[in-house]
Amino acid sequence: RKEVEQDPGPFNVPEGATVAFNCTYSNSASQSFFWYRQDCRKEPKLLMSVYSSGNEDGRFTAQLNRASQYISLLIRDSKLSDSATYLCVSPPGNTGKLIFGQGTTLQVKP
Amino acid sequence: DADVTQTPRNRITKTGKRIMLECSQTKGHDRMYWYRQDPGLGLRLIYYSFDVKDINKGEISDGYSVSRQAQAKFSLSLESAIPNQTALYFCATSDSKGRGRAYGYTFGSGTRLTVV
Repeated sequence: RKEVEQDPGPFNVPEGATVAFNCTYSNSASQSFFWYRQDCRKEPKLLMSVYSSGNEDGRFTAQLNRASQYISLLIRDSKLSDSATYLCVSPPGNTGKLIFGQGTTLQVKP
Repeated sequence: DADVTQTPRNRITKTGKRIMLECSQTKGHDRMYWYRQDPGLGLRLIYYSFDVKDINKGEISDGYSVSRQAQAKFSLSLESAIPNQTALYFCATSDSKGRGRAYGYTFGSGTRLTVV
């Protein structure tokens, strides 16, 4: 089993829709998690950190479910500019390394 | 100027050639990393360094070597390039003494390497 798994999508949604991505992780010792956003051929950029039950930033909400070992990212009122690949990231234990999921692609259509 | 700078941005090289990718950072971070990204495979860790004297192999280090010349510089070498090393390479940095637990990475803009 991969350490971090995501549904690669693509998720195609209309503008204004609410969309949610899930990510599962295998290392129960992981304490904090991240969602990164990556535009085509660009570097990943930190979107949100998640290290308790959840985190909210504007239209974006990240939640952590330790019992089931998954994190989710909810995007409300999708914008065209939200089209990107979203990477779920977990540091196994406290190693300082980040393990990336393969990413979920979102396409927001007019 | 970018916080994490990678050079070159693009490179085409021939099979068997030695090539070096360079990374420098102005963030003052102690930790540096090299990843490669291939379509459908996500980002995979090649090497990482927690300080100048600490170099560690990642999950796919075969065929690569690294040098941490200074806290701010971390270079990746392909000793004898082969076509399946064609990929997008990213350097990243992090701060072990960062505030709270949000020790996310800062990435460079990437080097697109093609081995023909």
